[in-house]
Amino acid sequence: RKEVEQDPGPFNVPEGATVAFNCTYSNSASQSFFWYRQDCRKEPKLLMSVYSSGNEDGRFTAQLNRASQYISLLIRDSKLSDSATYLCVVNFGTDSWGKLQFGAGTQVVVTP
Amino acid sequence: DGGITQSPKYLFRKEGQNVTLSCEQNLNHDAMYWYRQDPGQGLRLIYYSQIVNDFQKGDIAEGYSVSREKKESFPLTVTSAQKNPTAFYLCASNRHGSNQPQHFGDGTRLSIL
Repeated sequence: RKEVEQDPGPFNVPEGATVAFNCTYSNSASQSFFWYRQDCRKEPKLLMSVYSSGNEDGRFTAQLNRASQYISLLIRDSKLSDSATYLCVVNFGTDSWGKLQFGAGTQVVVTP
Repeated sequence: DGGITQSPKYLFRKEGQNVTLSCEQNLNHDAMYWYRQDPGQGLRLIYYSQIVNDFQKGDIAEGYSVSREKKESFPLTVTSAQKNPTAFYLCASNRHGSNQPQHFGDGTRLSIL
């Protein structure tokens, strides 16, 4: 079993619609979580940090469910520019330097 | 502007050749990281460094080497022992502790000639 698992998609979303997807992680001791977006052949860019039960940033909402060991990302009012791969990143423990685990990403395609 | 600079953007390696990828940051970050990304896979950690003159192996360190002589610089050498070097290489940095988000350079694409 992979330590961080994501549905690879693609999620095809009409412009203006809402899309949500999850990321599951295996280590119950994980303390911090991040969502990054990665455009084709580009570097990942931080979208949101998720430190507690969740947080919201404009059209993006991230939620953390520690009991079931998953985090979710919801995008409201999707824009064409939201088309990207969304990477789930999990820190496996507070004393583990460099031990961020990356999911393989969920591809989102927003269509006109 | 503060950021992480990787060079070159594209690199080609011949059989038996060592190549070095550059990573420089002016964010005053203590920790720096090297990842490799293959198509359809998540990023995998090669090496990381918490402070100058110290570095640790990641999950896939075989065939790679690094140095950290300056806080700003963390070059990665892909040696001839790395038999499958074709990948997208990403350098990242962050402040104290891995609970801080990492910021990435724009990557180097390495291919075999």
